[in-house]
Amino acid sequence: KNEVEQSPQNLTAQEGEFITINCSYSVGISALHWLQQHPGGGIVSLFMLSSGKKKHGRLIATINIQEKHSSLHITASHPRDSAVYICAVTVELETSGSRLTFGEGTQLTVNP
Amino acid sequence: EAQVTQNPRYLITVTGKKLTVTCSQNMNHEYMSWYRQDPGLGLRQIYYSMNVEVTDKGDVPEGYKVSRKEKRNFPLILESPSPNQTSLYFCASSLRLPLEYTFGSGTRLTVV
Repeated sequence: KNEVEQSPQNLTAQEGEFITINCSYSVGISALHWLQQHPGGGIVSLFMLSSGKKKHGRLIATINIQEKHSSLHITASHPRDSAVYICAVTVELETSGSRLTFGEGTQLTVNP
Repeated sequence: EAQVTQNPRYLITVTGKKLTVTCSQNMNHEYMSWYRQDPGLGLRQIYYSMNVEVTDKGDVPEGYKVSRKEKRNFPLILESPSPNQTSLYFCASSLRLPLEYTFGSGTRLTVV
């Protein structure tokens, strides 16, 4: 079982719809990240969360540490939001340093 | 412009021919790391570096080497590439952990 599970794997929406992508993790973390990967391949960091909620424009990310769950919401979705959204967690290592563990991503397609 | 620069963007090489993928950041970030992305497996960490002269293995280090002789550069070295190292590679950096990551544009490597 993956340490980070995302759902759904694929999501198709109509322009203007409210979108939710979910992420669950099974390990102790120091932070959770939401990343966006466009068809060209580049990866952009959208949010880093350790608690609560963050908002940036039409994007909202929440995290529930007790339930080990995070959601990424997109309000008033637009075709330019079409991308792969990746959830990743920072796991502190017992020896030193940390590792970033990724979910497999959610492919979002927003149709006009 | 603050960025992580990877080179080359695309590379086709033959089995066994040593190659280096360069990664450089201009943000004075302490933390740098390498990932590979494969269909169905998502992103996986290869190596990371907490600071100059401090490197450690990630989840899939076999067949790779890294060095961190100066803060800005973190090259990925494939001493004897094999076809199973055909992948999309990303370098990323962070000021320190756990803070947001900045990703390079990716290097698509094909080993024939």
